[in-house]
Amino acid sequence: EAGVAQSPRYKIIEKRQSVAFWCNPISGHATLYWYQQILGQGPKLLIQFQNNGVVDDSQLPKDRFSAERLKGVDSTLKIQPAKLEDSAVYLCASSFLSGRNDEQFFGPGTRLTVL
Amino acid sequence: KNEVEQSPQNLTAQEGEFITINCSYSVGISALHWLQQHPGGGIVSLFMLSSGKKKHGRLIATINIQEKHSSLHITASHPRDSAVYICAVTLSGGGADGLTFGKGTHLIIQP
Repeated sequence: EAGVAQSPRYKIIEKRQSVAFWCNPISGHATLYWYQQILGQGPKLLIQFQNNGVVDDSQLPKDRFSAERLKGVDSTLKIQPAKLEDSAVYLCASSFLSGRNDEQFFGPGTRLTVL
Repeated sequence: KNEVEQSPQNLTAQEGEFITINCSYSVGISALHWLQQHPGGGIVSLFMLSSGKKKHGRLIATINIQEKHSSLHITASHPRDSAVYICAVTLSGGGADGLTFGKGTHLIIQP
């Protein structure tokens, strides 16, 4: 069974530029999560999708971050414009049903450096 | 105060030692997760538990719901166990079920 795929693995941009990350969850997984992990900290949930609907985006900085999962499968996370404090690893995870009683599977992450 | 607290933050031990990592939480949960993260690597789920105890190989996880506390134990530790171990919880109640993470415990096992 293929795992959660993410691309790119690394990205370096200058502040005020735009960047997009892509995630393909495990086949058949209805729930998809985007987490932000700043160096030295635990991950923080940015947004959760159930199929193509948003369940929770309360911690997503909506003035600059956006995410979509149009067909209920893969997802993109965009930052526009980027700030220095956005430097982090962006993790995508998926679970078969709701993660409440279901294991979450994580992708390798995208490491973003904003200069 | 963080909703999920782990201790210790850093732990260095010798190969073969028995390792204990602790996690306390201050919120109602439906499940607690122990995860492993290697340097530069992704996160791997080790355990998900809502009561009692689970064992997988040399790893044991326990949870005490009344005391809001969980422990992860590693028996006969090995240098390949060196990683960051993260405790995370799924909050109880309806709505979103994204994980709330602790800051992690950085474990180094020296040969």
